[in-house]
Amino acid sequence: DAKTTQPTSMDCAEGRAANLPCNHSTISGNEYVYWYRQIHSQGPQYIIHGLKNNETNEMASLIITEDRKSSTLILPHATLRDTAVYYCIVSIITGGGNKLTFGTGTQLKVEL
Amino acid sequence: SAVISQKPSRDICQRGTSLTIQCQVDSQVTMMFWYRQQPGQSLTLIATANQGSEATYESGFVIDKFPISRPNLTFSTLTVSNMSPEDSSIYLCSVEPGHEAFFGQGTRLTVV
Repeated sequence: DAKTTQPTSMDCAEGRAANLPCNHSTISGNEYVYWYRQIHSQGPQYIIHGLKNNETNEMASLIITEDRKSSTLILPHATLRDTAVYYCIVSIITGGGNKLTFGTGTQLKVEL
Repeated sequence: SAVISQKPSRDICQRGTSLTIQCQVDSQVTMMFWYRQQPGQSLTLIATANQGSEATYESGFVIDKFPISRPNLTFSTLTVSNMSPEDSSIYLCSVEPGHEAFFGQGTRLTVV
């Protein structure tokens, strides 16, 4: 699986958009970009994934550059409950499940 | 979706002993994944468990230390054998029935 690079930490004011970047310059054509987050003392939670088009769901938006070498996760209106470690992962999709390679992630702190 | 129950949620064990962690899923899944999260670190995959075959271990993890059972499509166990304080971690199981991985809440193990 391709390696990802993320900033170690970011701060965001509550109510503002949180934009979390991820570099995956060695991503291959059949690898998807996944985002998960881990709130303290809980198991990771899926947020969103995409291949090359931008994606949006009820939690977040995922913007993937045209060359697919980087992406940005956007939390449009961050709240205190969004404070967590956010992991960007690239992986192929296989039947039955994918083993995920977690990097160090970005610690997002949302403050008043 | 999938709901995962892990037992125990936490335990304190004496060095040299073994602990078996159980993972129950509310639906049938092909693969189950076991991860370790050492204090302050990211998640590391230990092994992939398929029903009816031996688990596949990642580099640095061996069957003698982390034996895994997968008796059916909804259940798996991970044993941490001959424990030392270095085994103090959170152990998580995961399944990915579709594009989204689901994680248990983890077992917080402290070895004294």
